[in-house]
Amino acid sequence: DQQVKQNSPSLSVQEGRISILNCDYTNSMFDYFLWYKKYPAEGPTFLISISSIKDKNEDGRFTVFLNKSAKHLSLHIVPSQPGDSAVYFCAARGMGNAGNMLTFGGGTRLMVKP
Amino acid sequence: SQTIHQWPATLVQPVGSPLSLECTVEGTSNPNLYWYRQAAGRGLQLLFYSVGIGQISSEVPQNLSASRPQDRQFILSSKKLLLSDSGFYLCAWSGTALDTQYFGPGTRLTVL
Repeated sequence: DQQVKQNSPSLSVQEGRISILNCDYTNSMFDYFLWYKKYPAEGPTFLISISSIKDKNEDGRFTVFLNKSAKHLSLHIVPSQPGDSAVYFCAARGMGNAGNMLTFGGGTRLMVKP
Repeated sequence: SQTIHQWPATLVQPVGSPLSLECTVEGTSNPNLYWYRQAAGRGLQLLFYSVGIGQISSEVPQNLSASRPQDRQFILSSKKLLLSDSGFYLCAWSGTALDTQYFGPGTRLTVL
């Protein structure tokens, strides 16, 4: 049972346009959400996070939106740049999880075309 | 600042051989430590986590094991590798339970 799902395995966007990556979750106990970016043969890099008490968090070109009622979050990248091409993982942490365990989605490969 | 190291970066092993992957963290004390695996074309699967020396929790049954002999050292082992153990292994650390997890560079394991 996948508690965190990224239904789009890949996304292609033109440079300068907006990239929107989506993530859905089923566990209402999740209270903190993160986005990671991963290049091939490298470890994931933390991008941005959001607490369940907020519905939006912005950091430069990256904005994460959280819709708790829909159990949905999205990552917006604007403007998209070729260097943003990578696999993006969303992750969720549950309230009271021992050891700060994260549950990851399957990832979305973003390709930004020049 | 904190850094996390993993070695080796790549490893090719025959089926049935043993495995030892090492992860160390610098610049922090008593971190939470994690081992993840990313199989080809798939997401990150948590294998083990540790909240302190000698404390290991396993998330999935498998022929892998983990140990934490020192505060900032986390080891992933196997006595006999299977073909299905191939993948990209990632170590991560976090501070308190509220902190973000930070990942190491990973180890690409190919079992032939």
